[in-house]
Amino acid sequence: NAGVTQTPKFQVLKTGQSMTLQCAQDMNHNSMYWYRQDPGMGLRLIYYSASEGTTDKGEVPNGYNVSRLNKREFSLRLESAAPSQTSVYFCASRGLEGGFQHEQYFGPGTRLTVT
Amino acid sequence: AQSVTQPDIHITVSEGASLELRCNYSYGATPYLFWYVQSPGQGLQLLLKYFSGDTLVQGIKGFEAEFKRSQSSFNLRKPSVHWSDAAEYFCAGLSGTYKYIFGTGTRLKVLA
Repeated sequence: NAGVTQTPKFQVLKTGQSMTLQCAQDMNHNSMYWYRQDPGMGLRLIYYSASEGTTDKGEVPNGYNVSRLNKREFSLRLESAAPSQTSVYFCASRGLEGGFQHEQYFGPGTRLTVT
Repeated sequence: AQSVTQPDIHITVSEGASLELRCNYSYGATPYLFWYVQSPGQGLQLLLKYFSGDTLVQGIKGFEAEFKRSQSSFNLRKPSVHWSDAAEYFCAGLSGTYKYIFGTGTRLKVLA
């Protein structure tokens, strides 16, 4: 049981390049999330998916797109990377099985640098 | 607007000393509150959570937190800190059904 996995772990992009961050969970969770973490700002929600087939904007969605490919996978795409998108990106999931589970489970993160 | 505030950016304690990390929330109804820990280069790990009932909740690694509605606080405590507790700690609250609000974090340094 791997929990939440993210690829890649590290990435360096040039301004204007595109890339997709991958996230998968094997806990049969319904909800999945993408956050970015910047020094002194905590975690800020980019997008979330309450269930397979749905996605919604979070606090900082500009410059990003997401795809909930299936129940397991939730990807984050940067179409034209900017230096302001240099950050650590975390994927998280949350289940709603049986008793209402409220806590999130986090992946190890992707450290992205845009030059 | 709902918010979660961690007033202390950095805290330094000596190994074996007690610890209290502060978290204040601003919510209309009974909040669902969490404490997470993040070791360097790692993801976040849940320490404990509060939904309702007993206001003193126990978590992993010897941590506990007390929900105080009158003070809008959910402070994290540990009676005796170990060097391995050095990490960043985040308080978070559930906003609505799906969204979470995170505090800006408190970085804990432990002196030998």
